[in-house]
Amino acid sequence: QKEVEQDPGPLSVPEGAIVSLNCTYSNSAFQYFMWYRQYSRKGPELLMYTYSSGNKEDGRFTAQVDKSSKYISLFIRDSQPSDSATYLCAMSPNAGNNRKLIWGLGTSLAVNP
Amino acid sequence: KAGVTQTPRYLIKTRGQQVTLSCSPISGHRSVSWYQQTPGQGLQFLFEYFSETQRNKGNFPGRFSGRQFSNSRSEMNVSTLELGDSALYLCASSLEGYSNQPQHFGDGTRLSIL
Repeated sequence: QKEVEQDPGPLSVPEGAIVSLNCTYSNSAFQYFMWYRQYSRKGPELLMYTYSSGNKEDGRFTAQVDKSSKYISLFIRDSQPSDSATYLCAMSPNAGNNRKLIWGLGTSLAVNP
Repeated sequence: KAGVTQTPRYLIKTRGQQVTLSCSPISGHRSVSWYQQTPGQGLQFLFEYFSETQRNKGNFPGRFSGRQFSNSRSEMNVSTLELGDSALYLCASSLEGYSNQPQHFGDGTRLSIL
């Protein structure tokens, strides 16, 4: 079993829908949680970063961390065709100088106009 | 501010050859990490360089090596290429490599082994 599990999709939604993307993990030591977006033929770009539990909002994006359930989510409100991409979750146990993030395999999202 | 630049964007090699990939980080960033991305395994950490020293290493064979120059530019070398080395190789830079500092990725080098 992988340390981080992420449904690969593909997920297809109509424009304007609320999208929910999720990752589960097994290592209770994870404290830093990130969501990256990767467009086709591009490198990942950081969308959201959260520390420990709780919610964080940035525009149309909300990241949630539930450490008791070992579950993180990314919500996209009013989804747009430009949100069509692969979304990767990543997490790390500490803020030290080891950048050995553990990555999910990514969920492919298509937002249809 | 220029982003992370990786060259070349595409490479085609044959088994047994070697290859060198290049990464220019964002100006001022001292940490450079390399990743291999494949559909089946996702992003896998290769190694990280900071101030010209390899600070961390993933679980890849010794055929994979790298270095960092005094201007923080980094190169990755793969020797004796195998078919399984076909992948997208990504470089990411950050200020000092801490988990609370965002990594900025280049667009990668797509390596195909024939």
